[in-house]
Amino acid sequence: DSGVTQTPKHLITATGQRVTLRCSPRSGDLSVYWYQQSLDQGLQFLIQYYNGEERAKGNILERFSAQQFPDLHSELNLSSLELGDSALYFCASSVGLADSYNEQFFGPGTRLTVL
Amino acid sequence: GQQVMQIPQYQHVQEGEDFTTYCNSSTTLSNIQWYKQRPGGHPVFLIQLVKSGEVKKQKRLTFQFGEAKKNSSLHITATQTTDVGTYFCAGPFGGNQFYFGTGTSLTVIP
Repeated sequence: DSGVTQTPKHLITATGQRVTLRCSPRSGDLSVYWYQQSLDQGLQFLIQYYNGEERAKGNILERFSAQQFPDLHSELNLSSLELGDSALYFCASSVGLADSYNEQFFGPGTRLTVL
Repeated sequence: GQQVMQIPQYQHVQEGEDFTTYCNSSTTLSNIQWYKQRPGGHPVFLIQLVKSGEVKKQKRLTFQFGEAKKNSSLHITATQTTDVGTYFCAGPFGGNQFYFGTGTSLTVIP
């Protein structure tokens, strides 16, 4: 158990819909990262938050947005869903920033299926 | 485009054989990390390398960071079935963007 929790574990929805994925970081970690992993694909970095502020953006679509709340939990919002958005979405947390030599702890992931 | 490439993409080995995966970055990295993802699981941190030419060992696993800090390798000696999974290298780019390599999926045949 990494100490990072993600809800829900599974999500099935239809094209055009909007969903929200939730992540609670490990106690004491200030950074939250979101990744997308498609079937047979690697981990695609989406976005990073540090202590409530957006710090880095990766390959995140404009239909996707995220935020980190004062209690440090984070939410990833996916809207106007398309079939290609079906993937495993991981949240990870670390004590500091990506370039601060901190290991990341991953949650169990949310598997999103868009029908 | 993809900033961190790994080869091979897939590797099947007989139990007891050695295994190596190579990681190449498009730019110099301040540090490189390695993660393992078991089938159906989430990535788990293995190690971090920081210094040019650094070599670290964890039991049967040997990690190396290249002199130019643009490449790295992971070598597993005498593989076991517990080594099955996908191995990713990863590192920070442009500050806080964190990119994972394409991964090498290891299958160990008993």
